[in-house]
Amino acid sequence: SQTIHQWPATLVQPVGSPLSLECTVEGTSNPNLYWYRQAAGRGLQLLFYSVGIGQISSEVPQNLSASRPQDRQFILSSKKLLLSDSGFYLCAWTTGLNTEAFFGQGTRLTVV
Amino acid sequence: GIQVEQSPPDLILQEGANSTLRCNFSDSVNNLQWFHQNPWGQLINLFYIPSGTKQNGRLSATTVATERYSLLYISSSQTTDSGVYFCAVVMYGGATNKLIFGTGTLLAVQP
Repeated sequence: SQTIHQWPATLVQPVGSPLSLECTVEGTSNPNLYWYRQAAGRGLQLLFYSVGIGQISSEVPQNLSASRPQDRQFILSSKKLLLSDSGFYLCAWTTGLNTEAFFGQGTRLTVV
Repeated sequence: GIQVEQSPPDLILQEGANSTLRCNFSDSVNNLQWFHQNPWGQLINLFYIPSGTKQNGRLSATTVATERYSLLYISSSQTTDSGVYFCAVVMYGGATNKLIFGTGTLLAVQP
């Protein structure tokens, strides 16, 4: 069966420090991968999605970037964190068009 | 862009009560999902339902795509049902589908 892993679960980082969040999917190949952010406990916003290795689409301009170095690995990064980057980050995957999306357990990021 | 509105925004129930949560969307969509976000933040898949009705235990969902709404029914609520319920519409966005989330309904079930 397919599973999705995200780490770390929680992270406290100072302003101006770099960020790397990792998401991996097991049990499937060539998934579509997504990064979402949830602020203030409501409403998930799509940040990035990827349909293949090296293919990244950004939904909103921001201080973050994403990369997909391997088929089942999706990384969210920042060179210098801002206070406004705090939030709950969730990775998701689907197997293609019109298929159900599944989410990882999320990373709670606090920038101090 | 498409607007996804959920109602009510907050709901308090006594254990054992029934409830109906509503999701309205402003444009045609490919599909729709319902999620339950538990107190630890995890998103639990409830239903993947483009149209019609599905049931899973005490929960059921109905989507009327032509009228652009979906309903989630919770019967005989339990304290473990507490959390935020999201609907998310599935739209084709170029290379892939995208989930556009509603604002959620915060449900508190009291013993």
